[in-house]
Amino acid sequence: DQQVKQNSPSLSVQEGRISILNCDYTNSMFDYFLWYKKYPAEGPTFLISISSIKDKNEDGRFTVFLNKSAKHLSLHIVPSQPGDSAVYFCAASDPSGTYKYIFGTGTRLKVLA
Amino acid sequence: EPEVTQTPSHQVTQMGQEVILRCVPISNHLYFYWYRQILGQKVEFLVSFYNNEISEKSEIFDDQFSVERPDGSNFTLKIRSTKLEDSAMYFCASPTGPNSPLHFGNGTRLTVT
Repeated sequence: DQQVKQNSPSLSVQEGRISILNCDYTNSMFDYFLWYKKYPAEGPTFLISISSIKDKNEDGRFTVFLNKSAKHLSLHIVPSQPGDSAVYFCAASDPSGTYKYIFGTGTRLKVLA
Repeated sequence: EPEVTQTPSHQVTQMGQEVILRCVPISNHLYFYWYRQILGQKVEFLVSFYNNEISEKSEIFDDQFSVERPDGSNFTLKIRSTKLEDSAMYFCASPTGPNSPLHFGNGTRLTVT
């Protein structure tokens, strides 16, 4: 039962261009969404989040868009840099219980110099 | 920035042995979580711990697993009799404040042979 899905396992982008990572979810009760970046042998690092009352949140080069009717969110990175190369996980906070995070399967982003 | 610290970084054990993974979460917060990531797969919720009690656990968290807060600062995950399929990265996480995102430690890589 995959409640949070990232359908693209990998993405390659040229340096300076936009990276768009996508995420879909199935549970309409989810009300808070996050993006994490992960390097090998490290823990996930928080990037940006969005509450379900908003449709956009921006932080520097990172913007998250939320389309509640489509149950879809995306992360835009502009401009992409080689240091952005990592695995990106979207996560949804489950309000039933203890607000545990449910993660997608991740998208490996490679930014080419 | 406050950190979540995990030890050891890598643990190798034989099948059937007990292992204890340790975490020092961000202080002054009552909620703590354990997650794991099997190689190449998504990050999965194991258990949440609130006010010295388990508040929620996943199907993965069976009778072989236990969590404790032995001394008020450390937070441990014990696997009583390890199986090959327990090989994974185990992450401890805690929020930095009310309604704030989870911060993850760098994980313990558990290898069961």
